[in-house]
Amino acid sequence: EVQLLESGGDLVQAGGSLRLSCAASGFSFSSYAMTWVRQAPGTGLEWVSSISSSGAATFYADSVKGRFTISRDNSKNTLYLQVNSLRAEDTAVYYCAKDRRGNYYTAFDIWGQGTMVTVSP
Amino acid sequence: EIVMTQSPATLSVSPGGRASLSCRASQSVSSDLAWYQQKPGQAPRLLIYGASTRATGIPARFSGSGSGTEFTLTISSLQSEDFAVYYCQQYNNWPPLTFGGGTKVEIK
Repeated sequence: EVQLLESGGDLVQAGGSLRLSCAASGFSFSSYAMTWVRQAPGTGLEWVSSISSSGAATFYADSVKGRFTISRDNSKNTLYLQVNSLRAEDTAVYYCAKDRRGNYYTAFDIWGQGTMVTVSP
Repeated sequence: EIVMTQSPATLSVSPGGRASLSCRASQSVSSDLAWYQQKPGQAPRLLIYGASTRATGIPARFSGSGSGTEFTLTISSLQSEDFAVYYCQQYNNWPPLTFGGGTKVEIK
């Protein structure tokens, strides 16, 4: 079964840091671009960051650029998001998602269950 | 940045009825448009990509149409499990990948 499982979310103070993880199984992880999408409570979906299949190319939303770092370990089938200098507005459920086509940035056919990051003022 | 605008924000439909959801892009995204369904407490689920191609396992009552800047998701004969929030997403011009604000389909 194709599956993504996030972990690492927690309650942290403003200015703090966390590392989110996304463990992949059931597909050839190293062949697919991966993405983080977040959803603040009661709101819609916001693209956060994407990474190419090899990890050589990374992309960030302006709202997180310079504070968040996306990476991956293809030997461990795991995607990461290092989140630093957290702000109250970063409070959200963070989802990892797999691109439908491969090493492209298109639609996301597999999503994890999400991990909650809560930033206290 | 391409802004995606969905309307209406809420759509009230009777079970068995038909729902038409609109998504408009601030500039052309060709057919690089996806639709997702999200139920409370769950992750989004891919319904449609390429504006009109159903994802694996998606029932035929879901259909997508449009190109350029105007898109529609139609749900014919709404089932109880279809009451949810629906999002569109463009992947033509990025970063950033952008989502619409969502349409909630509720029971009338």
